[in-house]
Amino acid sequence: QQQVKQSPQSLIVQKGGISIINCAYENTAFDYFPWYQQFPGKGPALLIAIRPDVSEKKEGRFTISFNKSAKQFSLHIMDSQPGDSATYFCAATLDFGNEKLTFGTGTRLTIIP
Amino acid sequence: DTGVSQNPRHKITKRGQNVTFRCDPISEHNRLYWYRQTLGQGPEFLTYFQNEAQLEKSRLLSDRFSAERPKGSFSTLEIQRTEQGDSAMYLCASSLAEGIYGYTFGSGTRLTVV
Repeated sequence: QQQVKQSPQSLIVQKGGISIINCAYENTAFDYFPWYQQFPGKGPALLIAIRPDVSEKKEGRFTISFNKSAKQFSLHIMDSQPGDSATYFCAATLDFGNEKLTFGTGTRLTIIP
Repeated sequence: DTGVSQNPRHKITKRGQNVTFRCDPISEHNRLYWYRQTLGQGPEFLTYFQNEAQLEKSRLLSDRFSAERPKGSFSTLEIQRTEQGDSAMYLCASSLAEGIYGYTFGSGTRLTVV
């Protein structure tokens, strides 16, 4: 199956707090899991990505945690800032010869002062 | 080259009319993808090209939809006999065939069918 389930649908976090978005997938053949950030009127932009051979990847304030046995992965945004307010999508794909992305349904994140 | 360019940005059309969108990918990228995004949903894959060859089409791409990429450069997506259910954001992305790491989306064309 090709589904990727994402939660929550919306999230409000205070400035400086930690934002956490979760995703679960069904297809065990998926082997690349990117997160995209989308602002209104713009296309998605790659934020950070992970492969299933590692359990965590950190880039600045953004961290992906990956649990292969549970088929779950999550995005953590540390020290959340108002500029992080956007819609976030998790995605999954097959890396070898088939690079279409299967996206989650998105999380609208709002950072309040 | 500043990224993936899509035109027009917005299109309003009457039901039953044909529409065509254009995508200009990053010049060195040989793969080009089309996705559709409806309000409150994630993008859904429609089709992709490697150079001028169309390699895969989603079942979402009905007979009313056709995509081309002549000469492996820009691409067009045409929708014939538009229906209200076609209203969505149509996103184009490009990448190098060697990996997804250079996957870049355009800003999309928002289609409204009235």
